[in-house]
Amino acid sequence: DTEVTQTPKHLVMGMTNKKSLKCEQHMGHRAMYWYKQKAKKPPELMFVYSYEKLSINESVPSRFSPECPNSSLLNLHLHALQPEDSALYLCASSQDVGFREQYFGPGTRLTVT
Amino acid sequence: GIQVEQSPPDLILQEGANSTLRCNFSDSVNNLQWFHQNPWGQLINLFYIPSGTKQNGRLSATTVATERYSLLYISSSQTTDSGVYFCAGNYNQGGKLIFGQGTELSVKP
Repeated sequence: DTEVTQTPKHLVMGMTNKKSLKCEQHMGHRAMYWYKQKAKKPPELMFVYSYEKLSINESVPSRFSPECPNSSLLNLHLHALQPEDSALYLCASSQDVGFREQYFGPGTRLTVT
Repeated sequence: GIQVEQSPPDLILQEGANSTLRCNFSDSVNNLQWFHQNPWGQLINLFYIPSGTKQNGRLSATTVATERYSLLYISSSQTTDSGVYFCAGNYNQGGKLIFGQGTELSVKP
């Protein structure tokens, strides 16, 4: 099974709301990733977790706060977002952060009003 | 920085036609993946191909790492092949995938 699941599929939030995106994998992978994709653009890396520790933060604003509670789960906490943060948020996982195949979830389509 | 370039940016085919998509990268790549993004946004893994040639049904891919390019071949295209095709490379062991801009394929019945 090479499935990565993400919830919710769609999210609409106001600029003062706090919400969370969830990602789960049961492949025994020890690396998990958040990517952001704007319309008509390729995905861009936001964060990498390796063995439940944050290993890469691509200078993401602090209104995005990642969390890796265990090796199967990855959350992205959202607070005080801006309309320009509206995008498709993709989670991925791989065996580890070496040169490994990454598998992506279906994404959460976020709209900030 | 590292550049990944895909061509063509857009492609319109009649059902049944064949096509070749190209991915050039500016530095040596240690992990090259091809994805198909469907209209709902799901990125579907097509190939993990750091070098050599692989085939899966009507799709095949070839990566020539020494010449820094990869090709994706689609034969006997179907309308369900429509969507955006991305190649992406990983240049260090940190796990960061760098994507090309994509090729948007439209297959007409």
